[in-house]
Amino acid sequence: EVQLVESGGGLVQPGGSLRLSCAASRFTFSGYWMTWVRQAPGKGLEWVANIKQDGSEKYYVDSAKGRFTISRDNAKNSLYLQMNSLGAEDTAVYYCARGPSKSNAFDIWGQGTMVTVSS
Amino acid sequence: DIQMTQSPSSLSASVGDRVTITCRTSQSISSYLNWYQQKPGKAPNLLIYGVSSLQSGVPSRFSGNGSGTDFTLTISSLQPEDFATYYCQQSYSSPPEATFGQGTKLEIK
Repeated sequence: EVQLVESGGGLVQPGGSLRLSCAASRFTFSGYWMTWVRQAPGKGLEWVANIKQDGSEKYYVDSAKGRFTISRDNAKNSLYLQMNSLGAEDTAVYYCARGPSKSNAFDIWGQGTMVTVSS
Repeated sequence: DIQMTQSPSSLSASVGDRVTITCRTSQSISSYLNWYQQKPGKAPNLLIYGVSSLQSGVPSRFSGNGSGTDFTLTISSLQPEDFATYYCQQSYSSPPEATFGQGTKLEIK
């Protein structure tokens, strides 16, 4: 079964950093754009960042620019999100998703990893 | 930036009902409109892509329609497992940023 598994979430103090990982399996990871989407508690979905197949293009939501870095290691079938200068507004479940693919949809999602920014 | 307006924000319905959720965009997005279902504590699940194409494994009671700026998701006969939150999503812009609607929580009447 095609699968994405996130890890690396946890409790971090304001101003701190965290690195999320997403391990892909049973599909050709290097053939797809990949994306991070987050969901604050009780709120809707927010696109955070995406990265092209070879890592040559990366895009971020305005609130993440300059603080977050998306990257990938195709040899390890892994996607990453380095998050710096974290604030309470970054508290959310972070999902990795495959895509944008057909019609720019996200067709496979991980189970999510919770990031809590609090002192 | 393309703005999305999804309505209603919540909806109460009974098993067997036909329900329609609407998504409106601030500018034409061609056919780059997708729908997701999310159940509590779970990741979103792609239902419909490209306005009206059913994702593999999704029951045929789900359908999508629309063009330009106005789109709908219809569930023809609600089943108990359909009570969830639904989101529309567009990625028309270049570079490929994505925007989600605010969500529609579908509850049992």
